[in-house]
Formats: sequence, C-alpha cells, structure tokens
Amino acid sequence: GENVEQHPSTLSVQEGDSAVIKCTYSDSASNYFPWYKQELGKGPQLIIDIRSNVGEKKDQRIAVTLNKTAKHFSLHITETQPEDSAVYFCAASRPDSSYKLIFGSGTRLLVRP
Amino acid sequence: AAGVIQSPRHLIKEKRETATLKCYPIPRHDTVYWYQQGPGQDPQFLISFYEKMQSDKGSIPDRFSAQQFSDYHSELNMSSLELGDSALYFCASKGRNQPQHFGDGTRLSIL
Repeated sequence: GENVEQHPSTLSVQEGDSAVIKCTYSDSASNYFPWYKQELGKGPQLIIDIRSNVGEKKDQRIAVTLNKTAKHFSLHITETQPEDSAVYFCAASRPDSSYKLIFGSGTRLLVRP
Repeated sequence: AAGVIQSPRHLIKEKRETATLKCYPIPRHDTVYWYQQGPGQDPQFLISFYEKMQSDKGSIPDRFSAQQFSDYHSELNMSSLELGDSALYFCASKGRNQPQHFGDGTRLSIL
C-alpha cells in the first residue's frame, strides 16, 4: 500500500522567513496530494492541494510543488507569521481507493516572533 | 459556509463499554470518511462510505462498525472499548471532484 514520508518532524523559523516541508510517496498510482494544517483541538484544515497533472500551485504565501518522477512533493510558506505555527500534514490518495488519505507523520512548525 | 459537524466533542467511557460517534457531512457531499488519530500521530483511515454504501475499509477493528444513513449522516459504533481506543476520531466529507473537509473531531477517553 501507499506510504508517505514527511520531513522534518519539527521546524522552527523566524517570523518573515520561509518554511519548506517535504514529502515522498511510494505508490505511483497516487494522483492527488493535499496539505492540511492542524491546530490544537481542531480538525485538519485543507490549505492547498495539487493533482498529478500539475507541477506547481500557488495561493498567496503558500505554494506546493510536485515531482512525479521522483515521487516528491513540497510545501513552501513564505513570509511566515506566528499564526502559521501548527502541525502540517501532507497526504496522498488515489481514485481507485475511494480517495482515502494516507498521511505523512506531520511537521510541527514554530514561527518565532 | 457549512462545515462537518461531529458529536459529541468529548466522550469518556470505561473499558468494555460501547460508544457511538456521529458525523453530519457538508450538504451535498456524497462521501464520508472516518479517521483515528492517536496522540502525536497522523490520522489513520478507518472506513468510508459513498452514497450510503461502504466504499473502502482500512485498519478498523472488528469491534467497530459504521454506517451511513439516508440523510447522509454517519455513525461509528465502537464496542468492548479498550484503553488503546483512546484517541481523536475525525469524520471528513467530500463532494464530487472536491477535497476532503474534516470536522473538529470527537475526543474519546477510555478509563
């Protein structure tokens, strides 16, 4: 089955700096890759997603890149703010498995004011 | 905008008791997913339903069962509860060609 690895497990940056979180997946049939932000006591919140027919997608300060050949995808957050502090999960899914999400192990991001 | 509603938010049970968790998906979403998240871990897929039929099954114990009703709400039934069942249980819903949206979960504590 699919396996998603996520690095780093923790990331501390200064406010205004950029943060990059990387994931790799194992199943070449996976074609949908969302990123979720989870704050304490809340459910995962979708922040951006990308499909396998696209190499890059951007939404304001957040961007995701996908390298299908290498089975890598990355989350880029620019101009980080203290409210970006949370746990971030990458995930992968494929259409013939009901699009269930296989998550990475998560990255705890701390943005220092 | 309407979100996924889960109830209860917190539940405390003792070993060997039963529990029922409820999920109300976003209107017009046709697929519901259940995930279990242990402390400091990522969410693990349990089971999903598409148009009220089970569509996929993950690492869900035989002691657990779930269903989706005619109004699209879903219930996760858990019996013979064990200490290891203490976790956050999330429901997510999805519409056609749309991403999964999660509720804020039910925190289940087994004493």
